[in-house]
Amino acid sequence: GESVGLHLPTLSVQEGDNSIINCAYSNSASDYFIWYKQESGKGPQFIIDIRSNMDKRQGQRVTVLLNKTVKHLSLQIAATQPGDSAVYFCAEIPIRSGNTGKLIFGQGTTLQVKP
Amino acid sequence: DVKVTQSSRYLVKRTGEKVFLECVQDMDHENMFWYRQDPGLGLRLIYFSYDVKMKEKGDIPEGYSVSREKKERFSLILESASTNQTSMYLCATGGTPSYEQYFGPGTRLTVT
Repeated sequence: GESVGLHLPTLSVQEGDNSIINCAYSNSASDYFIWYKQESGKGPQFIIDIRSNMDKRQGQRVTVLLNKTVKHLSLQIAATQPGDSAVYFCAEIPIRSGNTGKLIFGQGTTLQVKP
Repeated sequence: DVKVTQSSRYLVKRTGEKVFLECVQDMDHENMFWYRQDPGLGLRLIYFSYDVKMKEKGDIPEGYSVSREKKERFSLILESASTNQTSMYLCATGGTPSYEQYFGPGTRLTVT
């Protein structure tokens, strides 16, 4: 069946280093991908998105890369800060879901930032 | 800013009780979603609604029902709570055609 997964459940980085969080997806027909951040005790918060016709998209300190050949998505965080500590989820929208925006979520990677 | 509120942050109920979880949004979004979040399983979609009085089953609808009588409010109902429904419940909303979903803070439900 369809699934969106992440390679590592936990990632530990030093403050100031760059972080790379990976995600593998299985549905090659998916049209849209999103990264969410969930801090402890809060709901997931949108970080950045990318459409399937793009390879790269940049935001403030974050970059999302999409490799459709190997069905791989990554989130890069530059100069990681303690406030970046959270669980990060990737999500995809299969084309068949139409305008309802139904997402398929991966299991999440916990990012721990060491001072 | 989009605001999505959920009626309770923490809830403790007994097995067999009927449980109502309410979600209210202030952005006039058409789409609303209920997820549950469990360790190791990520977010799983229970039900969603794309219009008032319209609903569709998600991936794990068994044991749940929903109600959407007004556009801004989406309720999740556990007809007879069971211990395996102990979980974090998250409500989300989304407009059309944007696929970005906005989440509420979550309700941690414990069924004893």
